Amino acid sequence: AQSVTQLDSQVPVFEEAPVELRCNYSSSVSVYLFWYVQYPNQGLQLLLKYLSGSTLVKGINGFEAEFNKSQTSFHLRKPSVHISDTAEYFCAVSEPFSGYSTLTFGKGTMLLVSP
Amino acid sequence: ETGVTQTPRHLVMGMTNKKSLKCEQHLGHNAMYWYKQSAKKPLELMFVYNFKEQTENNSVPSRFSPECPNSSHLFLHLHTLQPEDSALYLCASSDSDRKEAFFGQGTRLTVV
Repeated sequence: AQSVTQLDSQVPVFEEAPVELRCNYSSSVSVYLFWYVQYPNQGLQLLLKYLSGSTLVKGINGFEAEFNKSQTSFHLRKPSVHISDTAEYFCAVSEPFSGYSTLTFGKGTMLLVSP
Repeated sequence: ETGVTQTPRHLVMGMTNKKSLKCEQHLGHNAMYWYKQSAKKPLELMFVYNFKEQTENNSVPSRFSPECPNSSHLFLHLHTLQPEDSALYLCASSDSDRKEAFFGQGTRLTVV
């Protein structure tokens, strides 16, 4: 079985400040890792993904994340946030499986960007 | 036009009603999913269909009945729901190569 822990339920930050949203996972096998963003009254949009290869992955809207196998972490970072980044962010894992994907999500972190 | 379209966006139903949620994907994917998003809880996978065959049913009560007539369409039939079933229901699709799931905008369901 796999699980995802997002340690912070809310992260308040000022505009143009850097931010890190933390994600830790547990799994008995290798995993795929994802970050999704959800704006109010919307579905989930993929920010970035790690499947294999370079441990630093870059996504949309200036976000990046680093896969750390020894610490079983996949923290999301952005060097300078905007008001428009206010949203809920979900970390998710999926075990490599041929045919389809079954995502296990964390509880989410609400990023609150203020001026 | 988004890749995954859900209708309706909002639904209010009584506990004795029967209604259906619809999902359509225009991405050519082979797998479709229903997720439930409740307040204060992680997203819960409800059902998975792969090539129109149901491959997962995560102990979902029988008052939720999925239907997948083809790889592009997915329905969730609802009957005799409870107030605790009020939630955002998200549909998603994926293919075997890209691994990530693409989500619709969801149906906000309120059971009164």
